[in-house]
Amino acid sequence: TQLLEQSPQFLSIQEGENLTVYCNSSSVFSSLQWYRQEPGEGPVLLVTVVTGGEVKKLKRLTFQFGDARKDSSLHITAAQPGDTGLYLCAGARSGAGSYQLTFGKGTKLSVIP
Amino acid sequence: DTAVSQTPKYLVTQMGNDKSIKCEQNLGHDTMYWYKQDSKKFLKIMFSYNNKELIINETVPNRFSPKSPDKAHLNLHINSLELGDSAVYFCASSKTGMNTEAFFGQGTRLTVV
Repeated sequence: TQLLEQSPQFLSIQEGENLTVYCNSSSVFSSLQWYRQEPGEGPVLLVTVVTGGEVKKLKRLTFQFGDARKDSSLHITAAQPGDTGLYLCAGARSGAGSYQLTFGKGTKLSVIP
Repeated sequence: DTAVSQTPKYLVTQMGNDKSIKCEQNLGHDTMYWYKQDSKKFLKIMFSYNNKELIINETVPNRFSPKSPDKAHLNLHINSLELGDSAVYFCASSKTGMNTEAFFGQGTRLTVV
């Protein structure tokens, strides 16, 4: 069972268009992180949202954490070719004294010039 | 200086061999991880480890074993390699505690032939 469902899995859009990526779960997380991964590299953190209903903006990227802390969305305004990459959401949970990040399967975004 | 470094970056080996991947972090973090990313880009946690506790993902075969000579290193040893072990393996580290960022290495692409 996939703990975090990410959609869409693939997205190809024209430069200048807007898009939204969703990350959904039936579980509650203490926080939700969004990472971006480029080919041949490891994921790099974009943002962490902690509070239910929280909205964070990073230039043209807007991240929102659901009120119940089970889901999140990433909205990109006026996408640029440089936004191309694999976007991963990750839910943080603690248990048995440890802390773990569980990743969604990712959304592969291609922005066509 | 690279924060989390893995060696080798590429590893091609035959079935049945034993191999190790090394990971070092110079961030002073207490917790380190190994993730496996398959051909569909799904990033799945294998182990999380700090100087107190090793958490093993129950789906990981016991042919895989993490070895930590000190707090800055977490190596991955794999016995009796199988074709299905082919993937990209990422090492990561973070501060101990909730909602902290994970810093990833560049990955090791393992190909078993």
